[in-house]
Amino acid sequence: KQEVTQIPAALSVPEGENLVLNCSFTDSAIYNLQWFRQDPGKGLTSLLLIQSSQREQTSGRLNASLDKSSGRSTLYIAASQPGDSATYLCAVSPPGFTGGGNKLTFGTGTQLKVEL
Amino acid sequence: DGGITQSPKYLFRKEGQNVTLSCEQNLNHDAMYWYRQDPGQGLRLIYYSQIVNDFQKGDIAEGYSVSREKKESFPLTVTSAQKNPTAFYLCASSTKGQGVYEQYFGPGTRLTVT
Repeated sequence: KQEVTQIPAALSVPEGENLVLNCSFTDSAIYNLQWFRQDPGKGLTSLLLIQSSQREQTSGRLNASLDKSSGRSTLYIAASQPGDSATYLCAVSPPGFTGGGNKLTFGTGTQLKVEL
Repeated sequence: DGGITQSPKYLFRKEGQNVTLSCEQNLNHDAMYWYRQDPGQGLRLIYYSQIVNDFQKGDIAEGYSVSREKKESFPLTVTSAQKNPTAFYLCASSTKGQGVYEQYFGPGTRLTVT
C-alpha cells in the first residue's frame, strides 16, 4: 500500500528566505505527483503536477522536482512571502488507472508560516 | 466562471440522521471524487466516479453512499452507519490533458455531528 510522508510537519521562516518542502513515497511505481496548497478552512489549490517521465516542473517562484527511483519529491519556494503561508500537500497517483481519472494518495502536509 | 461548488459550507446534524453533501462542477470533467480530511491527517478517498452512472469505493467507503446521475453532479450521503462523521469533506474533479489527470478541488463542507 502506497504511503506518502511529508517532512517537516510545520515550518516557520522569515520573509525572503528560500525553502524546501519534502515529500517521500514508498512505492516508486507512480503515474504522477501533484503538489497542492491549502489555506485554513479552504479547499485545495493545485500548484504543480509532475508526470512520472518528468524530473521537474516550474511555476513562478515554485519549482518541484521528482526522483522516482528514490521515492522523493521536493517543492522549492524562492523568496518566500507572508502570502505563501499555508499547508502544502503532495499526492501521488498509481499507474495503470485507466479511464477518466486517477486516484490520489496524500501526505499529511507541511504547515508553512512566513513571518515578516 | 468554471469551477466546483460545494454546499453548504457548514452543516450540523444530530447523530443518527443521514445527510447529503452537494458537489457540482461546470468544468465538463468526466471524473469526480469525494475525500475526507481529519485534523493532522491527509485526505482519504471515500468514493470516485469515472463516468456517469458508475462509481467505485475508495479507501474508506463504509457508512457513505453516492450517486452519479449527471456528469456535473456527484452528491455524497453520510449515513447513520458512519461511526465518526464529523470531518471536512472535499469534492474534486479531473480532466485528461495530454494524458495527465490533474485534480481540481471545491471549497469543502465542514460537517459536525453531535
